Amino acid sequence: KNEVEQSPQNLTAQEGEFITINCSYSVGISALHWLQQHPGGGIVSLFMLSSGKKKHGRLIATINIQEKHSSLHITASHPRDSAVYICAVDGDTDKLIFGTGTRLQVFP
Amino acid sequence: ETGVTQSPTHLIKTRGQQVTLRCSSQSGHNTVSWYQQALGQGPQFIFQYYREEENGRGNFPPRFSGLQFPNYSSELNVNALELDDSALYLCASSQLTLNTEAFFGQGTRLTVV
Repeated sequence: KNEVEQSPQNLTAQEGEFITINCSYSVGISALHWLQQHPGGGIVSLFMLSSGKKKHGRLIATINIQEKHSSLHITASHPRDSAVYICAVDGDTDKLIFGTGTRLQVFP
Repeated sequence: ETGVTQSPTHLIKTRGQQVTLRCSSQSGHNTVSWYQQALGQGPQFIFQYYREEENGRGNFPPRFSGLQFPNYSSELNVNALELDDSALYLCASSQLTLNTEAFFGQGTRLTVV
């Protein structure tokens, strides 16, 4: 079992739909990151959070430390949101542990 | 766009050869971490450099080695390349002591033939 699990692995949506991607982890963490990876490989950091909730534009990230679970929500999804979304956690070894990612495709 | 740049962006090497990948860190960051991402997988931690010293290593053989320079840029060297080394290599810079967000480069796609 991976230390960081994401679901779903693949997600297809129509433009405008509300999207949720989930991340569960099994290790102690100091922070959790949500990352976006576009075709070609470049990774962009969306959020880094250690408690509660953060919002940036149409993106919302929440974390429940007791349940070791985080969610990334996208409101009013758009085709340009199509990407792979990766959850990564900062364990106690100062290295990031990554989930395998959720591939999102948003169709017009 | 982050201040982290990687070079080259793409590279093709023959099995048995050696390769050096480079990463410049974000201004003000003292830590560089390297990751290998195989196709369809999440990135796997190779090692981290903090103030020019290795500060943690993942489950990679010794033929994967690295350096960090006084300006905090870094190199990843892989000797005796194997076909399975074909992957996207990502570097991320951060400010370790402040536990800040990591900034990623665009990656180097290495193909070993």
